[in-house]
Amino acid sequence: SAVISQKPSRDICQRGTSLTIQCQVDSQVTMMFWYRQQPGQSLTLIATANQGSEATYESGFVIDKFPISRPNLTFSTLTVSNMSPEDSSIYLCSAYSGVQETQYFGPGTRLLVL
Amino acid sequence: QKEVEQNSGPLSVPEGAIASLNCTYSDRGSQSFFWYRQYSGKSPELIMFIYSNGDKEDGRFTAQLNKASQYVSLLIRDSQPSDSATYLCASRAYKYIFGTGTRLKVLA
Repeated sequence: SAVISQKPSRDICQRGTSLTIQCQVDSQVTMMFWYRQQPGQSLTLIATANQGSEATYESGFVIDKFPISRPNLTFSTLTVSNMSPEDSSIYLCSAYSGVQETQYFGPGTRLLVL
Repeated sequence: QKEVEQNSGPLSVPEGAIASLNCTYSDRGSQSFFWYRQYSGKSPELIMFIYSNGDKEDGRFTAQLNKASQYVSLLIRDSQPSDSATYLCASRAYKYIFGTGTRLKVLA
């Protein structure tokens, strides 16, 4: 299985600022994803991070608000821009291993926006 | 809208009993199915995946798939208090779809 790390693990941010979350995988993976999980809720897919091209966003999520980079096969970043309290959530990075055809999750970043 | 549906629970079972968690999916194109366990405050952890109709066993866990009925289940034998968590069911066709999860409480 892939081992995934995320930084920061948690943060408290002021309204109107931006936060960049980093995701590192210990091996090359086919696909990387970014999810959001509100307390007590299930996972909501934000976007698929594509290596070498623009991310693919799900309905309701836009690049200006959640810019994503994936410069190589083991690393991705998600930026939460111009934050509001509604952005308070857990943000999870995941990696899909084509060989094992399974998806593994990072430990998550807990974000609180004041 | 492709969906994966789960009863939110909580499902309470006594220690040592069998816990049965169920999931239905709407996309007949789904090819593989996954069960994740999520402890409070932690990220989802993959428990099992299944592709073929029938049962797949791994230790105390058994996943069951019935594609004709579009039904997936997870059985946990000899349930322990440490099994208390939320269990997420997911299907994959061209992308992953997660259910809302079932909260399991194993009573000591």
